[in-house]
Amino acid sequence: QKEVEQDPGPLSVPEGAIVSLNCTYSNSAFQYFMWYRQYSRKGPELLMYTYSSGNKEDGRFTAQVDKSSKYISLFIRDSQPSDSATYLCAMSPRNNNDMRFGAGTRLTVKP
Amino acid sequence: GAVVSQHPSWVICKSGTSVKIECRSLDFQATTMFWYRQFPKQSLMLMATSNEGSKATYEQGVEKDKFLINHASLTLSTLTVTSAHPEDSSFYICSAGDPGGAGEQYFGPGTRLTVT
Repeated sequence: QKEVEQDPGPLSVPEGAIVSLNCTYSNSAFQYFMWYRQYSRKGPELLMYTYSSGNKEDGRFTAQVDKSSKYISLFIRDSQPSDSATYLCAMSPRNNNDMRFGAGTRLTVKP
Repeated sequence: GAVVSQHPSWVICKSGTSVKIECRSLDFQATTMFWYRQFPKQSLMLMATSNEGSKATYEQGVEKDKFLINHASLTLSTLTVTSAHPEDSSFYICSAGDPGGAGEQYFGPGTRLTVT
């Protein structure tokens, strides 16, 4: 079993839809949870960062962490074609170390 | 957020030659930097952790004599691919954690290496 599981998709939605991206994990030591967005042939860009359980909102993006279920989510409201990218979840047990990535979900938002 | 740069962004080299990739933290000092490799449509694979002033820690299966890492200062880490072969062609990305931050890592834009 992989430490971090993420459905690679691809996921295609119409513009304006609510997008739900998810990851599950097996290592209960993970404390830091991140979502990155990666455009083709570019480095990942940090979107959301959460420590431990809870919700975090930033504009159209909401990150949720449920440590009891070992499940994290990223919601994108009012999705735009510019949101089309690969979204990677990442998590680590310690600050700035041992980060593990999900496989990434390829998202396409159609106009 | 913190800014990490990489140079070059794209390099083509002949088989058997060596290529050096630079990773710089532009607005913060990074005691630790990370080097990843990414194949098309696949996720990031951690190659090694680069620590300023000490030897890098390599992940299992990564040849340390082939992928030389030097972290000579708090803002610069280099990855040298020695005696490159076509199978080394990949997208190499570095990242760094901002010690003044809360645990997140910031990634460089990546370097695309093509070995002919």
